[in-house]
Amino acid sequence: EAGVAQSPRYKIIEKRQSVAFWCNPISGHATLYWYQQILGQGPKLLIQFQNNGVVDDSQLPKDRFSAERLKGVDSTLKIQPAKLEDSAVYLCASSPRALRNTEAFFGQGTRLTVV
Amino acid sequence: KNQVEQSPQSLIILEGKNCTLQCNYTVSPFSNLRWYKQDTGRGPVSLTIMTFSENTKSNGRYTATLDADTKQSSLHITASQLSDSASYICVVSSGGSNYKLTFGKGTLLTVNP
Repeated sequence: EAGVAQSPRYKIIEKRQSVAFWCNPISGHATLYWYQQILGQGPKLLIQFQNNGVVDDSQLPKDRFSAERLKGVDSTLKIQPAKLEDSAVYLCASSPRALRNTEAFFGQGTRLTVV
Repeated sequence: KNQVEQSPQSLIILEGKNCTLQCNYTVSPFSNLRWYKQDTGRGPVSLTIMTFSENTKSNGRYTATLDADTKQSSLHITASQLSDSASYICVVSSGGSNYKLTFGKGTLLTVNP
Protein backbone atom coordinates (compact mmCIF):
# COMPACT_ATOMS: atom_id res chain seq x y z
CA GLU A 1 0.00 0.00 0.00
CA ALA A 2 1.46 3.36 -1.01
CA GLY A 3 1.86 5.86 1.79
CA VAL A 4 1.05 9.55 2.00
CA ALA A 5 3.09 11.40 -0.63
CA GLN A 6 4.25 14.97 -0.17
CA SER A 7 6.25 17.34 -2.33
CA PRO A 8 8.58 19.05 -2.36
CA ARG A 9 10.72 17.58 0.44
CA TYR A 10 12.57 20.84 0.97
CA LYS A 11 11.93 24.47 0.09
CA ILE A 12 13.88 27.64 0.78
CA ILE A 13 12.23 30.99 0.07
CA GLU A 14 12.67 34.61 1.01
CA LYS A 15 10.20 36.30 3.32
CA ARG A 16 7.19 37.80 1.57
CA GLN A 17 7.41 35.21 -1.20
CA SER A 18 4.71 32.62 -1.85
CA VAL A 19 5.00 28.85 -1.57
CA ALA A 20 2.75 25.84 -2.14
CA PHE A 21 2.92 22.29 -0.85
CA TRP A 22 1.21 19.27 -2.31
CA CYS A 23 -0.15 16.14 -0.63
CA ASN A 24 -1.50 12.91 -2.08
CA PRO A 25 -3.18 10.86 0.67
CA ILE A 26 -3.54 7.10 0.82
CA SER A 27 -6.11 5.95 -1.70
CA GLY A 28 -9.60 5.83 -0.23
CA HIS A 29 -8.81 7.88 2.87
CA ALA A 30 -11.60 10.38 3.46
CA THR A 31 -9.84 12.50 6.08
CA LEU A 32 -6.80 14.64 5.37
CA TYR A 33 -4.83 16.76 7.83
CA TRP A 34 -2.17 19.44 7.45
CA TYR A 35 0.13 19.96 10.44
CA GLN A 36 2.88 22.49 11.14
CA GLN A 37 5.81 21.18 13.19
CA ILE A 38 8.28 23.76 14.44
CA LEU A 39 11.68 22.40 15.44
CA GLY A 40 11.57 20.80 18.89
CA GLN A 41 7.79 20.83 19.14
CA GLY A 42 4.96 18.45 18.39
CA PRO A 43 2.83 18.90 15.28
CA LYS A 44 0.10 21.55 15.37
CA LEU A 45 -3.07 21.03 13.34
CA LEU A 46 -3.61 23.67 10.66
CA ILE A 47 -6.60 22.25 8.83
CA GLN A 48 -8.63 19.03 8.65
CA PHE A 49 -10.67 17.96 5.61
CA GLN A 50 -13.39 15.35 5.48
CA ASN A 51 -13.57 14.49 1.77
CA ASN A 52 -13.47 17.96 0.19
CA GLY A 53 -15.11 19.80 3.08
CA VAL A 54 -13.29 21.63 5.89
CA VAL A 55 -13.91 20.14 9.36
CA ASP A 56 -11.51 22.27 11.41
CA ASP A 57 -9.39 25.25 10.38
CA SER A 58 -9.46 27.08 13.70
CA GLN A 59 -5.65 27.28 13.94
CA LEU A 60 -5.01 28.20 10.32
CA PRO A 61 -3.65 31.77 9.93
CA LYS A 62 -6.17 32.63 7.28
CA ASP A 63 -4.62 35.97 6.44
CA ARG A 64 -1.68 34.16 4.82
CA PHE A 65 -2.43 30.43 4.73
CA SER A 66 -4.94 28.71 2.48
CA ALA A 67 -5.67 25.09 1.66
CA GLU A 68 -7.91 23.22 -0.67
CA ARG A 69 -8.78 19.63 -1.41
CA LEU A 70 -10.32 19.42 -4.82
CA LYS A 71 -12.43 16.33 -5.56
CA GLY A 72 -11.70 15.02 -2.07
CA VAL A 73 -8.32 13.53 -3.02
CA ASP A 74 -5.12 15.61 -3.39
CA SER A 75 -4.61 18.73 -1.35
CA THR A 76 -2.47 21.85 -1.58
CA LEU A 77 -1.40 24.18 1.23
CA LYS A 78 -0.31 27.71 0.28
CA ILE A 79 1.44 30.44 2.20
CA GLN A 80 1.29 33.96 0.80
CA PRO A 81 3.24 35.96 1.87
CA ALA A 82 5.65 33.90 3.96
CA LYS A 83 7.15 35.13 7.24
CA LEU A 84 10.33 34.02 9.01
CA GLU A 85 8.25 32.28 11.72
CA ASP A 86 6.69 30.03 9.07
CA SER A 87 9.93 28.05 8.93
CA ALA A 88 8.86 24.56 9.93
CA VAL A 89 8.09 21.07 8.65
CA TYR A 90 4.64 20.81 7.11
CA LEU A 91 3.18 17.35 7.57
CA CYS A 92 0.25 15.88 5.71
CA ALA A 93 -1.65 12.93 7.19
CA SER A 94 -4.65 10.91 6.16
CA SER A 95 -7.01 8.45 7.82
CA PRO A 96 -9.86 6.30 6.55
CA ARG A 97 -12.46 8.27 8.49
CA ALA A 98 -12.47 10.90 11.24
CA LEU A 99 -13.84 8.44 13.77
CA ARG A 100 -12.55 7.02 17.02
CA ASN A 101 -9.56 4.73 17.05
CA THR A 102 -8.69 5.09 13.38
CA GLU A 103 -5.06 5.35 12.39
CA ALA A 104 -3.58 8.56 11.01
CA PHE A 105 -0.75 7.95 8.52
CA PHE A 106 1.81 10.69 8.00
CA GLY A 107 3.84 11.71 4.98
CA GLN A 108 7.52 12.58 5.27
CA GLY A 109 6.80 16.27 5.35
CA THR A 110 8.04 19.36 3.55
CA ARG A 111 10.76 21.29 5.34
CA LEU A 112 10.28 25.02 4.70
CA THR A 113 13.00 27.55 5.44
CA VAL A 114 12.12 31.22 5.15
CA VAL A 115 15.13 33.54 4.98
CA LYS B 1 -7.73 23.52 27.16
CA ASN B 2 -6.53 20.08 26.05
CA GLN B 3 -2.86 19.49 26.84
CA VAL B 4 -0.32 16.69 26.61
CA GLU B 5 2.89 16.93 28.63
CA GLN B 6 5.84 14.60 28.07
CA SER B 7 8.93 13.92 30.12
CA PRO B 8 11.81 13.87 29.95
CA GLN B 9 12.39 16.33 27.14
CA SER B 10 15.45 14.35 26.08
CA LEU B 11 17.18 11.16 27.16
CA ILE B 12 20.51 9.50 26.37
CA ILE B 13 21.02 5.80 27.09
CA LEU B 14 23.48 3.08 26.15
CA GLU B 15 22.59 0.39 23.65
CA GLY B 16 20.95 -2.59 25.31
CA LYS B 17 19.55 -0.63 28.24
CA ASN B 18 15.86 -0.13 28.99
CA CYS B 19 14.09 3.20 29.33
CA THR B 20 10.66 4.61 30.14
CA LEU B 21 9.07 7.73 28.71
CA GLN B 22 6.18 9.52 30.42
CA CYS B 23 3.05 11.26 29.17
CA ASN B 24 0.47 13.17 31.23
CA TYR B 25 -2.64 14.56 29.61
CA THR B 26 -5.69 16.69 30.23
CA VAL B 27 -7.93 15.90 27.27
CA SER B 28 -11.67 15.66 27.43
CA PRO B 29 -13.60 13.73 26.37
CA PHE B 30 -10.90 11.08 26.08
CA SER B 31 -11.05 8.73 23.11
CA ASN B 32 -7.65 7.07 22.78
CA LEU B 33 -3.93 7.56 23.31
CA ARG B 34 -1.21 6.81 20.78
CA TRP B 35 2.53 6.73 20.84
CA TYR B 36 4.33 7.71 17.65
CA LYS B 37 8.00 7.35 16.71
CA GLN B 38 9.46 10.11 14.55
CA ASP B 39 12.86 9.56 12.99
CA THR B 40 14.80 12.66 12.01
CA GLY B 41 13.52 14.05 8.73
CA ARG B 42 10.56 11.71 8.54
CA GLY B 43 6.89 11.77 9.48
CA PRO B 44 5.61 10.14 12.68
CA VAL B 45 4.86 6.41 12.61
CA SER B 46 2.37 4.85 15.00
CA LEU B 47 3.69 2.41 17.63
CA THR B 48 0.61 1.73 19.77
CA ILE B 49 -2.94 2.92 20.25
CA MET B 50 -4.93 2.38 23.45
CA THR B 51 -8.55 3.04 24.27
CA PHE B 52 -10.06 3.83 27.67
CA SER B 53 -10.49 0.18 28.60
CA GLU B 54 -6.93 -0.89 27.77
CA ASN B 55 -4.13 -0.45 30.29
CA THR B 56 -1.23 -2.06 28.44
CA LYS B 57 -0.28 -2.81 24.87
CA SER B 58 2.93 -4.17 23.39
CA ASN B 59 4.55 -3.85 19.99
CA GLY B 60 7.77 -5.84 19.95
CA ARG B 61 10.21 -4.18 22.33
CA TYR B 62 7.79 -1.30 22.94
CA THR B 63 5.23 -1.56 25.76
CA ALA B 64 2.76 1.22 26.45
CA THR B 65 0.67 1.57 29.60
CA LEU B 66 -2.35 3.72 30.29
CA ASP B 67 -3.88 4.79 33.59
CA ALA B 68 -7.09 6.56 32.62
CA ASP B 69 -7.83 7.49 36.25
CA THR B 70 -4.62 9.47 36.71
CA LYS B 71 -4.44 10.41 33.01
CA GLN B 72 -0.94 9.08 32.63
CA SER B 73 0.75 6.89 30.07
CA SER B 74 4.23 5.47 29.73
CA LEU B 75 6.22 3.93 26.90
CA HIS B 76 8.80 1.36 27.95
CA ILE B 77 11.55 0.37 25.53
CA THR B 78 13.35 -2.87 26.27
CA ALA B 79 16.87 -3.76 25.15
CA SER B 80 17.34 -0.54 23.23
CA GLN B 81 18.96 -0.49 19.79
CA LEU B 82 20.74 2.28 17.93
CA SER B 83 17.74 2.48 15.58
CA ASP B 84 15.54 3.47 18.51
CA SER B 85 17.14 6.91 18.42
CA ALA B 86 14.21 9.17 17.52
CA SER B 87 11.58 11.49 18.93
CA TYR B 88 8.68 9.74 20.66
CA ILE B 89 5.43 11.65 20.60
CA CYS B 90 2.38 11.02 22.77
CA VAL B 91 -0.91 11.89 21.05
CA VAL B 92 -4.30 11.94 22.74
CA SER B 93 -7.51 12.07 20.78
CA SER B 94 -10.72 13.58 22.01
CA GLY B 95 -14.06 12.13 21.07
CA GLY B 96 -17.39 13.76 20.51
CA SER B 97 -18.62 15.08 17.20
CA ASN B 98 -15.34 16.79 16.33
CA TYR B 99 -12.56 14.24 16.60
CA LYS B 100 -9.23 15.98 17.40
CA LEU B 101 -5.65 14.97 18.09
CA THR B 102 -3.57 16.75 20.74
CA PHE B 103 0.17 16.22 20.38
CA GLY B 104 2.85 16.33 23.05
CA LYS B 105 6.19 17.96 22.26
CA GLY B 106 7.93 14.62 22.24
CA THR B 107 10.89 13.02 24.02
CA LEU B 108 14.13 12.93 22.05
CA LEU B 109 15.82 9.59 22.70
CA THR B 110 19.45 9.02 21.78
CA VAL B 111 20.86 5.50 22.01
CA ASN B 112 24.66 5.40 22.05
CA PRO B 113 26.85 2.37 21.33
